[in-house]
Amino acid sequence: QQQVRQSPQSLTVWEGETAILNCSYEDSTFNYFPWYQQFPGEGPALLISIRSVSDKKEDGRFTIFFNKREKKLSLHITDSQPGDSATYFCAAKKANYNVLYFGSGTKLTVEP
Amino acid sequence: DAGVTQTPRHEVAEKGQTIILKCEPVSGHNDLFWYRQTKIQGLELLSYFRSKSLMEDGGAFKDRFKAEMLNSSFSTLKIQPTEPKDSAVYLCASRTGGTEVFFGKGTRLTVV
Repeated sequence: QQQVRQSPQSLTVWEGETAILNCSYEDSTFNYFPWYQQFPGEGPALLISIRSVSDKKEDGRFTIFFNKREKKLSLHITDSQPGDSATYFCAAKKANYNVLYFGSGTKLTVEP
Repeated sequence: DAGVTQTPRHEVAEKGQTIILKCEPVSGHNDLFWYRQTKIQGLELLSYFRSKSLMEDGGAFKDRFKAEMLNSSFSTLKIQPTEPKDSAVYLCASRTGGTEVFFGKGTRLTVV
């Protein structure tokens, strides 16, 4: 079964708006959560990541909010640009084990 | 510095055929992963190698899928025999001591 869940499956926002992508997980031993961005015809590429000791990680227009108690996190993309249109994957990793477990992705479309 | 290289980029197979997908990880990376990507499931782990040793073999894929690391710089994924439900994008990824996993561009497999 899916260890990492994402919602919504697809999301459309207007240029300049904030896009919010959600992620949840089951296994409380996950301690590292990267988000990957994928453009058509390309492989996923690391966008931003957070460790479970933090509740927020910011990198420019991209911010992860992490709630350990509820096993939820979200990726906020502020001032969305058409170039942000891509599929975003939430992933999770356990300490001392190198496998990343991925969600099913959110396809983001930013309309100009 | 070359990234992860996957060949071929596209493959069309008839049902029942044997196909072999190839991957060259980033030079010096010790960990190699094979994932299958579909719209519904997202990225599912097929195999994980650490220093050429098989660490995890995705349970649901064991019977017709076989990944091998012939040496530290080359891996193959064999699907035998192929079925239409195997149509997907197959991604190879690698990492070294850090946490970032680097993906190739994938092989799009269509089984008819």
